[in-house]
Amino acid sequence: IAGITQAPTSQILAAGRRMTLRCTQDMRHNAMYWYRQDLGLGLRLIHYSNTAGTTGKGEVPDGYSVSRANTDDFPLTLASAVPSQTSVYFCASSDSGGGTYNEQFFGPGTRLTVL
Amino acid sequence: GQNIDQPTEMTATEGAIVQINCTYQTSGFNGLFWYQQHAGEAPTFLSYNVLDGLEEKGRFSSFLSRSKGYSYLLLKELQMKDSASYLCAIMDSNYQLIWGAGTKLIIKP
Repeated sequence: IAGITQAPTSQILAAGRRMTLRCTQDMRHNAMYWYRQDLGLGLRLIHYSNTAGTTGKGEVPDGYSVSRANTDDFPLTLASAVPSQTSVYFCASSDSGGGTYNEQFFGPGTRLTVL
Repeated sequence: GQNIDQPTEMTATEGAIVQINCTYQTSGFNGLFWYQQHAGEAPTFLSYNVLDGLEEKGRFSSFLSRSKGYSYLLLKELQMKDSASYLCAIMDSNYQLIWGAGTKLIIKP
Protein backbone atom coordinates (compact mmCIF):
# COMPACT_ATOMS: atom_id res chain seq x y z
CA ILE A 1 0.00 0.00 0.00
CA ALA A 2 1.27 3.46 -0.84
CA GLY A 3 -0.65 6.50 0.37
CA ILE A 4 -4.39 6.17 0.85
CA THR A 5 -6.63 3.45 -0.49
CA GLN A 6 -10.40 3.37 -0.61
CA ALA A 7 -12.80 0.53 -1.26
CA PRO A 8 -14.97 -0.08 -3.12
CA THR A 9 -14.14 2.00 -6.19
CA SER A 10 -17.82 2.25 -7.01
CA GLN A 11 -21.05 0.84 -5.69
CA ILE A 12 -24.74 0.83 -6.56
CA LEU A 13 -26.88 0.46 -3.47
CA ALA A 14 -30.58 0.08 -2.82
CA ALA A 15 -32.14 2.68 -0.57
CA GLY A 16 -32.41 1.53 3.03
CA ARG A 17 -29.35 -0.69 2.86
CA ARG A 18 -26.36 -0.32 5.16
CA MET A 19 -23.00 0.37 3.56
CA THR A 20 -19.45 0.86 4.86
CA LEU A 21 -16.85 2.68 2.80
CA ARG A 22 -13.33 1.68 3.71
CA CYS A 23 -10.28 3.93 3.93
CA THR A 24 -6.73 2.93 4.85
CA GLN A 25 -3.54 5.02 4.91
CA ASP A 26 0.03 3.89 5.42
CA MET A 27 1.62 7.31 6.02
CA ARG A 28 1.05 7.23 9.81
CA HIS A 29 -0.88 10.48 9.57
CA ASN A 30 -2.69 11.57 12.72
CA ALA A 31 -5.68 13.18 11.08
CA MET A 32 -8.20 11.67 8.66
CA TYR A 33 -11.24 13.08 6.92
CA TRP A 34 -14.27 12.04 4.91
CA TYR A 35 -15.66 14.38 2.24
CA ARG A 36 -18.42 14.13 -0.30
CA GLN A 37 -18.17 15.88 -3.66
CA ASP A 38 -21.28 16.76 -5.64
CA LEU A 39 -21.48 18.49 -9.01
CA GLY A 40 -21.40 22.26 -8.65
CA LEU A 41 -20.56 22.13 -4.97
CA GLY A 42 -17.25 22.18 -3.18
CA LEU A 43 -15.97 19.28 -1.16
CA ARG A 44 -18.02 19.05 2.03
CA LEU A 45 -16.64 17.57 5.22
CA ILE A 46 -18.70 14.74 6.67
CA HIS A 47 -16.62 13.59 9.65
CA TYR A 48 -13.04 13.89 10.75
CA SER A 49 -10.63 12.39 13.24
CA ASN A 50 -7.67 14.31 14.65
CA THR A 51 -6.12 11.20 16.18
CA ALA A 52 -6.90 7.54 16.75
CA GLY A 53 -9.76 7.11 19.20
CA THR A 54 -11.38 10.49 18.51
CA THR A 55 -13.86 11.66 15.89
CA GLY A 56 -15.75 14.86 15.13
CA LYS A 57 -18.66 16.04 13.01
CA GLY A 58 -18.12 18.09 9.89
CA GLU A 59 -20.50 20.19 7.85
CA VAL A 60 -22.83 17.36 6.69
CA PRO A 61 -22.69 14.50 9.24
CA ASP A 62 -26.34 13.40 9.25
CA GLY A 63 -26.87 9.84 8.06
CA TYR A 64 -23.18 8.95 8.42
CA SER A 65 -21.03 7.53 11.19
CA VAL A 66 -17.30 6.89 11.55
CA SER A 67 -14.89 5.13 13.84
CA ARG A 68 -11.13 5.41 14.34
CA ALA A 69 -9.94 2.32 16.17
CA ASN A 70 -6.35 2.72 14.97
CA THR A 71 -4.14 5.16 13.07
CA ASP A 72 -4.48 3.56 9.65
CA ASP A 73 -8.21 2.91 9.19
CA PHE A 74 -11.16 5.29 9.05
CA PRO A 75 -14.36 3.60 7.81
CA LEU A 76 -17.48 5.58 6.94
CA THR A 77 -20.86 3.91 7.46
CA LEU A 78 -24.21 4.80 5.98
CA ALA A 79 -26.71 3.18 8.32
CA SER A 80 -29.68 3.37 5.96
CA ALA A 81 -28.79 4.81 2.58
CA VAL A 82 -31.00 7.41 0.87
CA PRO A 83 -30.82 8.68 -2.73
CA SER A 84 -29.46 12.08 -1.58
CA GLN A 85 -26.33 10.25 -0.46
CA THR A 86 -25.47 9.54 -4.08
CA SER A 87 -22.08 11.20 -4.44
CA VAL A 88 -18.36 10.71 -4.80
CA TYR A 89 -16.76 10.13 -1.43
CA PHE A 90 -13.14 11.04 -0.75
CA CYS A 91 -11.07 10.02 2.23
CA ALA A 92 -8.07 12.20 3.11
CA SER A 93 -5.32 12.30 5.69
CA SER A 94 -2.84 14.84 7.00
CA ASP A 95 0.27 14.82 9.12
CA SER A 96 -1.23 16.59 12.12
CA GLY A 97 -4.66 17.32 13.47
CA GLY A 98 -5.57 20.89 14.18
CA GLY A 99 -3.35 23.76 15.11
CA THR A 100 -0.85 23.48 12.30
CA TYR A 101 -0.62 23.74 8.57
CA ASN A 102 -1.76 20.38 7.25
CA GLU A 103 -1.70 19.54 3.59
CA GLN A 104 -4.28 16.85 3.00
CA PHE A 105 -3.60 13.79 0.86
CA PHE A 106 -6.62 12.24 -0.84
CA GLY A 107 -7.62 8.71 -1.68
CA PRO A 108 -8.92 7.84 -5.18
CA GLY A 109 -12.57 8.15 -4.16
CA THR A 110 -15.65 5.92 -4.04
CA ARG A 111 -18.49 6.61 -6.44
CA LEU A 112 -21.73 5.68 -4.67
CA THR A 113 -25.15 5.54 -6.29
CA VAL A 114 -28.22 5.01 -4.10
CA LEU A 115 -31.37 3.97 -5.96
CA GLY B 1 -21.16 33.16 7.31
CA GLN B 2 -18.54 31.50 5.20
CA ASN B 3 -18.33 31.91 1.46
CA ILE B 4 -15.72 31.10 -1.16
CA ASP B 5 -16.18 32.26 -4.75
CA GLN B 6 -14.36 31.08 -7.85
CA PRO B 7 -15.32 31.32 -11.52
CA THR B 8 -17.07 28.16 -12.67
CA GLU B 9 -15.12 27.73 -15.88
CA MET B 10 -12.26 29.35 -17.78
CA THR B 11 -10.69 28.72 -21.17
CA ALA B 12 -7.09 29.43 -22.16
CA THR B 13 -4.66 28.62 -24.94
CA GLU B 14 -1.72 26.25 -24.75
CA GLY B 15 1.48 28.18 -23.99
CA ALA B 16 -0.37 31.17 -22.52
CA ILE B 17 -0.85 32.41 -18.95
CA VAL B 18 -4.06 32.18 -16.95
CA GLN B 19 -5.08 33.62 -13.58
CA ILE B 20 -7.76 31.93 -11.50
CA ASN B 21 -9.24 34.12 -8.78
CA CYS B 22 -10.68 33.16 -5.43
CA THR B 23 -12.46 35.51 -3.04
CA TYR B 24 -13.54 34.50 0.41
CA GLN B 25 -15.36 35.49 3.56
CA THR B 26 -14.76 33.23 6.54
CA SER B 27 -15.14 33.40 10.29
CA GLY B 28 -11.48 32.53 10.80
CA PHE B 29 -8.41 32.21 8.65
CA ASN B 30 -5.44 29.92 9.04
CA GLY B 31 -4.28 29.77 5.46
CA LEU B 32 -5.43 29.26 1.90
CA PHE B 33 -4.83 26.17 -0.22
CA TRP B 34 -5.00 25.50 -3.94
CA TYR B 35 -5.57 21.97 -5.21
CA GLN B 36 -5.71 20.53 -8.72
CA GLN B 37 -8.26 17.87 -9.63
CA HIS B 38 -8.29 16.07 -12.97
CA ALA B 39 -11.64 14.66 -14.05
CA GLY B 40 -12.44 11.44 -12.24
CA GLU B 41 -9.40 11.71 -9.98
CA ALA B 42 -8.57 12.86 -6.45
CA PRO B 43 -7.53 16.43 -5.61
CA THR B 44 -3.77 16.97 -5.32
CA PHE B 45 -2.05 19.76 -3.40
CA LEU B 46 -0.59 22.70 -5.32
CA SER B 47 0.12 25.52 -2.89
CA TYR B 48 -0.42 27.03 0.54
CA ASN B 49 -0.44 30.72 1.52
CA VAL B 50 -0.81 32.04 5.03
CA LEU B 51 0.98 35.41 4.69
CA ASP B 52 0.30 38.12 2.13
CA GLY B 53 2.29 37.91 -1.05
CA LEU B 54 3.29 35.63 -3.85
CA GLU B 55 4.47 32.04 -3.55
CA GLU B 56 6.14 30.67 -6.68
CA LYS B 57 6.57 27.01 -7.48
CA GLY B 58 7.72 26.29 -11.01
CA ARG B 59 5.05 27.21 -13.54
CA PHE B 60 2.50 27.81 -10.78
CA SER B 61 2.30 30.79 -8.43
CA SER B 62 -0.24 31.67 -5.76
CA PHE B 63 -0.97 35.10 -4.33
CA LEU B 64 -2.79 36.09 -1.16
CA SER B 65 -4.19 39.36 0.19
CA ARG B 66 -5.77 38.75 3.58
CA SER B 67 -7.11 42.28 3.92
CA LYS B 68 -9.01 41.91 0.64
CA GLY B 69 -10.05 38.27 1.16
CA TYR B 70 -8.51 37.48 -2.19
CA SER B 71 -6.20 34.96 -3.76
CA TYR B 72 -5.23 33.95 -7.24
CA LEU B 73 -3.49 31.01 -8.84
CA LEU B 74 -1.30 31.89 -11.81
CA LEU B 75 -0.41 29.20 -14.32
CA LYS B 76 2.30 29.99 -16.88
CA GLU B 77 3.32 28.23 -20.09
CA LEU B 78 0.08 26.30 -20.13
CA GLN B 79 0.18 22.68 -21.20
CA MET B 80 -2.69 20.46 -22.26
CA LYS B 81 -2.21 18.42 -19.09
CA ASP B 82 -3.16 21.52 -17.07
CA SER B 83 -6.76 20.99 -18.13
CA ALA B 84 -8.36 20.26 -14.76
CA SER B 85 -10.43 21.80 -12.00
CA TYR B 86 -8.65 24.08 -9.54
CA LEU B 87 -10.01 24.15 -6.02
CA CYS B 88 -9.53 26.99 -3.54
CA ALA B 89 -9.87 26.09 0.14
CA ILE B 90 -9.64 28.10 3.36
CA MET B 91 -8.44 26.68 6.65
CA ASP B 92 -10.88 28.06 9.17
CA SER B 93 -10.55 28.85 12.88
CA ASN B 94 -11.04 25.14 13.70
CA TYR B 95 -8.26 24.17 11.28
CA GLN B 96 -10.75 22.52 8.96
CA LEU B 97 -10.80 23.17 5.21
CA ILE B 98 -13.74 25.01 3.66
CA TRP B 99 -13.78 24.43 -0.11
CA GLY B 100 -14.85 26.48 -3.06
CA ALA B 101 -16.79 24.77 -5.86
CA GLY B 102 -13.73 24.81 -8.11
CA THR B 103 -12.83 26.35 -11.46
CA LYS B 104 -12.79 24.09 -14.50
CA LEU B 105 -9.90 25.14 -16.74
CA ILE B 106 -10.08 24.16 -20.40
CA ILE B 107 -6.88 24.41 -22.43
CA LYS B 108 -7.17 24.72 -26.19
CA PRO B 109 -4.35 24.04 -28.65
